[in-house]
Amino acid sequence: AQSVSQHNHHVILSEAASLELGCNYSYGGTVNLFWYVQYPGQHLQLLLKYFSGDPLVKGIKGFEAEFIKSKFSFNLRKPSVQWSDTAEYFCAVNEEPGNQFYFGTGTSLTVIP
Amino acid sequence: DTGVSQDPRHKITKRGQNVTFRCDPISEHNRLYWYRQTLGQGPEFLTYFQNEAQLEKSRLLSDRFSAERPKGSFSTLEIQRTEQGDSAMYLCASSLPLGLAGYTGELFFGEGSRLTVL
Repeated sequence: AQSVSQHNHHVILSEAASLELGCNYSYGGTVNLFWYVQYPGQHLQLLLKYFSGDPLVKGIKGFEAEFIKSKFSFNLRKPSVQWSDTAEYFCAVNEEPGNQFYFGTGTSLTVIP
Repeated sequence: DTGVSQDPRHKITKRGQNVTFRCDPISEHNRLYWYRQTLGQGPEFLTYFQNEAQLEKSRLLSDRFSAERPKGSFSTLEIQRTEQGDSAMYLCASSLPLGLAGYTGELFFGEGSRLTVL
């Protein structure tokens, strides 16, 4: 079965600091990769996704992620975080041609004004 | 508003009672997923439907759990003889199928149904 690892469980940053959240997956075949975000009191929503093509993908709110196939990684980055980025961030993997989406345990980000 | 609605939002029940959750997906989405999420964990896959057919069930899903999607629209998740370990947020998500025009791979989540078993 697929496993998704997020090594940072809780991250605290000051506003304007740079962010990088790690995500590694175990499946060796073709995968689709996602980052979802859950703001306090809200539902999970898509931040960005990678299917194919350019391994550097850009999402909403200035987030980007880089797919490195050789490292089975899909790390999330943002050059300058804002207080409003405080949320839970989940990496997810969908292996083709399967239908399951596997989620990591999540990273809680707290941004201090 | 994602368009996926779940009911009830909160349910408190006593151990041993049965509970049922309902999910109404986005109308054109024929895929529907149920996930469970506990504190400090990511969503854990429970089961998945394509139209009315239940195509996958997690091995973690005990026989006390049953899900239906009788007409390929809304779905229900029933937990019989609830246990304290069933306390969690139950999430429903819907999507378009792979290969269909407009497919983005995105899961659209509802707000979830929080279950507390006393």
